[in-house]
Amino acid sequence: DQQVKQNSPSLSVQEGRISILNCDYTNSMFDYFLWYKKYPAEGPTFLISISSIKDKNEDGRFTVFLNKSAKHLSLHIVPSQPGDSAVYFCAASPVNSGNTPLVFGKGTRLSVIA
Amino acid sequence: ETGVTQTPRHLVMGMTNKKSLKCEQHLGHNAMYWYKQSAKKPLELMFVYSLEERVENNSVPSRFSPECPNSSHLFLHLHTLQPEDSALYLCASSQVRNRAEAFFGQGTRLTVV
Repeated sequence: DQQVKQNSPSLSVQEGRISILNCDYTNSMFDYFLWYKKYPAEGPTFLISISSIKDKNEDGRFTVFLNKSAKHLSLHIVPSQPGDSAVYFCAASPVNSGNTPLVFGKGTRLSVIA
Repeated sequence: ETGVTQTPRHLVMGMTNKKSLKCEQHLGHNAMYWYKQSAKKPLELMFVYSLEERVENNSVPSRFSPECPNSSHLFLHLHTLQPEDSALYLCASSQVRNRAEAFFGQGTRLTVV
């Protein structure tokens, strides 16, 4: 049973517009959430994170929103650029994780069209 | 230079072969992980080493055997694999008890023929 779900396997967006990638989770013990970006033939790279004490975290063009009651988070990229085309993974970590590793979703492939 | 280096990048092996994947991290982290990425599936955690001790084995078949000789190196020994084991194998490292993100290597693309 998947604890972190990314229900959209792919998304296409016009350059300059907003990209919104969604992620849902089922485990109420998760309290720290991350987004990773993966290009072909490379490992995932960390993009942005959010702790459950916040509902928004912003870093340049990237903003992550967290809705704890809905167990939902989203990544907004604005404006989208062709170089943003990649697979985006949502990941979650439980309270007091210590050495408990991250739980990942299946990923969403974003294509930004010039 | 990502800080986490995996070799080889690509590997083709027969079902009767024995091979090893290598991972090295230069970040001073004390936890290392093996993940498997198959098509249309989430990243699957295979093994966790924390402070050089294996702390998690996520129901991985015995044909996969990890080894962590020190905090900077992690190996995955492969023996009599099946074609369905073909996947991208990713190594990652992090700092235990630090909620910072895990850093990934570039992965080894494994094909079992």
